[in-house]
Amino acid sequence: GAVVSQHPSWVICKSGTSVKIECRSLDFQATTMFWYRQFPKQSLMLMATSNEGSKATYEQGVEKDKFLINHASLTLSTLTVTSAHPEDSSFYICSANNLSHLDSQETQYFGPGTRLLVL
Amino acid sequence: RKEVEQDPGPFNVPEGATVAFNCTYSNSASQSFFWYRQDCRKEPKLLMSVYSSGNEDGRFTAQLNRASQYISLLIRDSKLSDSATYLCVVRPSGTYKYIFGTGTRLKVLA
Repeated sequence: GAVVSQHPSWVICKSGTSVKIECRSLDFQATTMFWYRQFPKQSLMLMATSNEGSKATYEQGVEKDKFLINHASLTLSTLTVTSAHPEDSSFYICSANNLSHLDSQETQYFGPGTRLLVL
Repeated sequence: RKEVEQDPGPFNVPEGATVAFNCTYSNSASQSFFWYRQDCRKEPKLLMSVYSSGNEDGRFTAQLNRASQYISLLIRDSKLSDSATYLCVVRPSGTYKYIFGTGTRLKVLA
């Protein structure tokens, strides 16, 4: 149980285009999902907390108008990188808590990640 | 000061060796602690949670020292397959957010 998927697994795009990344919880409902970014040889940096049915909470320094998050259902959150530029190239990973499972509520389950390369 | 600090390594050890990693955290109100393992170009996977009394899972032992605000991970009888980056993760109280350390790279050599 507690499987999280992401799509696409990798994407290459031209500078200035927008890219949408989907994060799905496959066998549980996730009221809260998290979006991280990881640059090479660095750790995961939390970008935002995605809340089902309400606005996302962004971490300091993350532009909410550039990284649009939508959490329209209990199993799907999307991250859209708008007007992507080469510096946005990174590994984007989502995670979700299975809050319905009392023994592991605080355990985050990670998706396989999406590699974005902006040319 | 970073919220969660780890020695980035790499730690190069021979097969069968015992290796230990430490991690320090700055927020004394931190509530939960974890070790995750991340293989190259993959997502992090939970290795083990860290409990106040310390806990063991096979060859892996985790310890928590709240007074000194550090956690440790001990790996005994290292295997080649243990080569990975080990991420120290702290969850502050009152939130489900995770704070990641930069990770410690381990290379187990044949």
